[in-house]
This record gives sequence, structure tokens and C-alpha cells, in this order.
Amino acid sequence: DAGITQSPRYKITETGRQVTLMCHQTWSHSYMFWYRQDLGHGLRLIYYSAAADITDKGEVPDGYVVSRSKTENFPLTLESATRSQTSVYFCASITGTSTGELFFGEGSRLTVL
Amino acid sequence: QKEVEQNSGPLSVPEGAIASLNCTYSDRGSQSFFWYRQYSGKSPELIMFIYSNGDKEDGRFTAQLNKASQYVSLLIRDSQPSDSATYLCAVTRIAGYSTLTFGKGTMLLVSP
Repeated sequence: DAGITQSPRYKITETGRQVTLMCHQTWSHSYMFWYRQDLGHGLRLIYYSAAADITDKGEVPDGYVVSRSKTENFPLTLESATRSQTSVYFCASITGTSTGELFFGEGSRLTVL
Repeated sequence: QKEVEQNSGPLSVPEGAIASLNCTYSDRGSQSFFWYRQYSGKSPELIMFIYSNGDKEDGRFTAQLNKASQYVSLLIRDSQPSDSATYLCAVTRIAGYSTLTFGKGTMLLVSP
């Protein structure tokens, strides 16, 4: 099916471990985003990408690494997970049209013990 | 620092009433404004967008924009229990080509 798929949907890990959250879109949208959502903070932008091999920091990039070697994939890596990175992570892409609608994946719930 | 402010709620309304959700933003360069609905445990989905001052209606939803006051609102007429969700206000400078800044959301509870 067309859309954005995230994996894994649920992940429990331990402090200090590396975790990669995958995001795949089938629309060939240029722009892709990673947000985290926490109670009391709402949705906060971690990183975004305007095209393959072009990435930029958002509001809360510390502790995260992204790459975009192909237009359709935008993985997010936590190099050394911390408890403060326990959150729900949403990948999203934008249509690039005048509507500017942001389409979200289903989210990945990450728990760092 | 671009900020988008919303009352966290919950805003409780009875079924059939009008629900009014409000949002203010700090970036005067903002040109495009969005309302997303997020059900518990689900991802946000777009319900309305507005670019010009004034009102925009879509079914039971009306978005209102006042750029001079840096204020955008969402009215939901004939509220239904299925409207119970968190509503996120988001703003951006260039729709489709720049990042969105989200408010923290307002939880709406519609009681039967």
C-alpha cells in the first residue's frame, strides 16, 4: 500500500544501546521529517530532509543521527539511547504542493530503560 | 524561537454544541496555517488549512485566521463524540516547502 511505513512500531531498549527507527515512503515526496511527541511538549522536529543527501537539524537534534541515501528512506538513529529519548517518534513527508499537507506514519513507540 | 500556543484543555462540550479551539503564533512571517486532529494512540491527520485572513468552511469545520492578531481558530459545529481528540495547530512560512511548527494541542471531549 502507498504511504509512509515506520518500523519497528514498538521498541524497548536499554540505556547506551544504538537504535535505528526506519521510515519508508512510497510517494517520492522530496521532504521528509522526524518528529518526537511527548506529553507536555507536543510534536517537536528532530531532523528533516529536503532531498536525498540533504538533511538539516530541527528543534531537538542532539543525540540523533539521520541519513537519506535514497528518496524513499529516512532512518533515524539514536547512537547511544538515553531515558530522555523515551518517546513516540513520527516520520512524515510533505506533498510539496501549495496545500503543504504533512502525511504522518503510524509512529514508533520507543522505551529506553 | 517560533512558538505556537494552544490551551491544553480538556475542552468539554456536549454533543451538538459548537467547540471553539484557539491558537496564537509568534512568527509574523507565517503564511500557512493547519489544523490536525489526533486520536489517542494514532498519528495526526490534516482536517483544515487556511492561508488568507477570514473564514474558511469545510462541512462542520470552520477555520478562522487573523494575521494582524496572529490568531487562528477552529470551530466545530454540531460536535459529535467522534470529534473527541487532540487538535494540533501548526504554522509554516511556505506551505509545502518549509518546516511546520506545532502547538502542544488542545484535547476536546464531546459528551453524548
